[in-house]
Amino acid sequence: DIQMTQSPASLSASLGETVSIECLASEGISNDLAWYQQKSGKSPQLLIYAASRLQDGVPSRFSGSGSGRDYSFSISNVESEDIASYYCLQYDNLWTFGGGTKLELK
Amino acid sequence: EVQLVETGGGLVQPGRSLKLSCVASGFTFSSYWMYWIRQAPGKGLEWVSSINTDGGSTYYPDSVKGRFTISRDNAENTVYLQMNSLRSEDTATYYCARGKPYYFDYWGQGVMVTVSS
Repeated sequence: DIQMTQSPASLSASLGETVSIECLASEGISNDLAWYQQKSGKSPQLLIYAASRLQDGVPSRFSGSGSGRDYSFSISNVESEDIASYYCLQYDNLWTFGGGTKLELK
Repeated sequence: EVQLVETGGGLVQPGRSLKLSCVASGFTFSSYWMYWIRQAPGKGLEWVSSINTDGGSTYYPDSVKGRFTISRDNAENTVYLQMNSLRSEDTATYYCARGKPYYFDYWGQGVMVTVSS
């Protein structure tokens, strides 16, 4: 089974700051990686798929990159509405989520 | 508009069974893989099961294999999750999601399942 190690587990940011989250797969996953945002009490929402492709309607301040085992997700110019938990998902071999990152305001 | 509505959750005793349903609308249901994902209270997301478009292929993690069964009725636009031999660690909010085909692009609002005596 593929394991996904997501870091950090929590993140504190000021409005307007740029933040990054990393996901490391236990083996190469060929860019079969998605990123989700989950606000408190709500269902997850797809932000990024295929490691770097922005889902329709998602603001361009969200971005993803990476290859092989190593992937990252960034939010530029953090806004108050971005306060949420974020999860990576590998879908190359079955499905595995990262442990999540909780983004809070500093 | 894509909509996924889960029903069937509730309180159930350990060792008993429960069946969840997810009714889909707003898209051609028979053309999409469907999934169940769960989230224990205060915890992260865990994939639970997958089913292909005609129901001929299903997938499960080891944590539920042999206890949970996913199925679908394309005529009724519904995907099901039959959960047997429930354990306290199965307590979670269960989401159904649409696949595109292998990542999840739309999620339902979720349904709570509590396993407790």
